[in-house]
Amino acid sequence: SYELTQPPSVSVSPGQTARISCSGDALPKQYSNWYHQRPGQAPVLVIYKDNERPSGIPERFSGSSSGTTVTLTISGVQAEDESDYYCQSSDSSGSYVVFGGGTRLTVL
Amino acid sequence: EVQLLESGGGLVQPGGSLRLSCAASGFTFSSYAMSWVRQAPGKGLEWVSGISGSGGSTYYADSVKGRFTISRDNSKNTLYLQMNSLRAEDTAVYYCAKDHYASSGSPEAFDIWGQGTMVTVSS
Repeated sequence: SYELTQPPSVSVSPGQTARISCSGDALPKQYSNWYHQRPGQAPVLVIYKDNERPSGIPERFSGSSSGTTVTLTISGVQAEDESDYYCQSSDSSGSYVVFGGGTRLTVL
Repeated sequence: EVQLLESGGGLVQPGGSLRLSCAASGFTFSSYAMSWVRQAPGKGLEWVSGISGSGGSTYYADSVKGRFTISRDNSKNTLYLQMNSLRAEDTAVYYCAKDHYASSGSPEAFDIWGQGTMVTVSS
């Protein structure tokens, strides 16, 4: 079955830039999306279609794509950005949705 | 305000059945694909099933295919998940989620999520 691979954890100091990667064989053909999820809360969409931001999401969140890897970049990280982050996409047929295993972002 | 409200979770024995509901409001329900996504305690997100806006196309994760059935009643703005032959590994918070794109067929990106309903499968 198709999988998306994320690092389990990323740590950054406040004000620095955090980069979270996600790799998968079908990513050159399928768009990726990113969510953040705080404990006990529902996920929130922060990036869709590789690099689009939904309304209300701060400009410091951006997405990029290169080959089989997509990256969520958070510039000028703030304490409130500490959260779990998940990438999501579809397999090459577009019929199956897949989430990455999640990355815990720690703000030191 | 766009809102999704799940209900129907609870404690069920292995092999039992449960039906989840998700009441939608604040948007044209029939225009959007919908999905169920679950999260086992302390684990990551797992997509379970999706359905097109018309209900004519359905999609399932391999882990639930043949046991779960997704459906929708556009006249009642409600999404359902019928879960049969439940197993301990189905224990999770189940979220319903709205697709970001209008008139989408297959699920793509989820911009609105409910608060989740807990399903516990245990004897």
